[in-house]
Amino acid sequence: QVTLKESGPGILQPSQTLSLTCSFSGFSLSTSGMGVSWIRQPSGKGLEWLAHIYWDNDKRYNPSLKSRLTISKDTSSNQVFLKITSVDTADIATYYCARREYFDYWGQGTTLTVSS
Amino acid sequence: DIVLTQSPASLAVSLGQRATISCRASQSVGTSNYGYMHWYQQKPGQPPKLLIKYASNLESGVPARFSGSGSGTDFTLNIHPVEEEDTATYYCQHSWEIPYTFGGGTKLEIK
Repeated sequence: QVTLKESGPGILQPSQTLSLTCSFSGFSLSTSGMGVSWIRQPSGKGLEWLAHIYWDNDKRYNPSLKSRLTISKDTSSNQVFLKITSVDTADIATYYCARREYFDYWGQGTTLTVSS
Repeated sequence: DIVLTQSPASLAVSLGQRATISCRASQSVGTSNYGYMHWYQQKPGQPPKLLIKYASNLESGVPARFSGSGSGTDFTLNIHPVEEEDTATYYCQHSWEIPYTFGGGTKLEIK
């Protein structure tokens, strides 16, 4: 069955770089048409799409954050990564990874706190 | 960016009745035959769950009381008959262009 699981540092100081990992099973990112997105949700608020990576390594970013985002993948280890530079309190959220452009499978999320 | 406006922001529906949630896009999110609009249900402490993809296609394992319709800029999620377990926040999301965006959410309470 398809599963995804996010991992991250939990807490960072302002200006640090956030590194997130999405480890998945039950599908391959070498399959034509496949892709994985990152989405975040501040507590009690709505959802914001961040970035998507396709099976052919094509990458798409939310323009509002594009200068700070880098998405990448390791197909052989079934992992997708997201880096966000220069975090601040506006980045406090639960970060999810999800499969495809219609997000049919989601991880449980990893939370980020930013505090000095 | 395409703005998705959901209405109402919250609603309370009696058990067994119909809940209707609207999602209006600031520009068309599909062709005449295919809407790139998807619907999710989110319960507290859980990730969203896909209910409907491409406007009207029920996701596998989702009860048939959920249905979606619409095209162009106007889309609707219907739940009938509502059950207690349908208490949740519902979101629409488009995948027509980058950036993908979500509606602001509709909180459903079952009376």
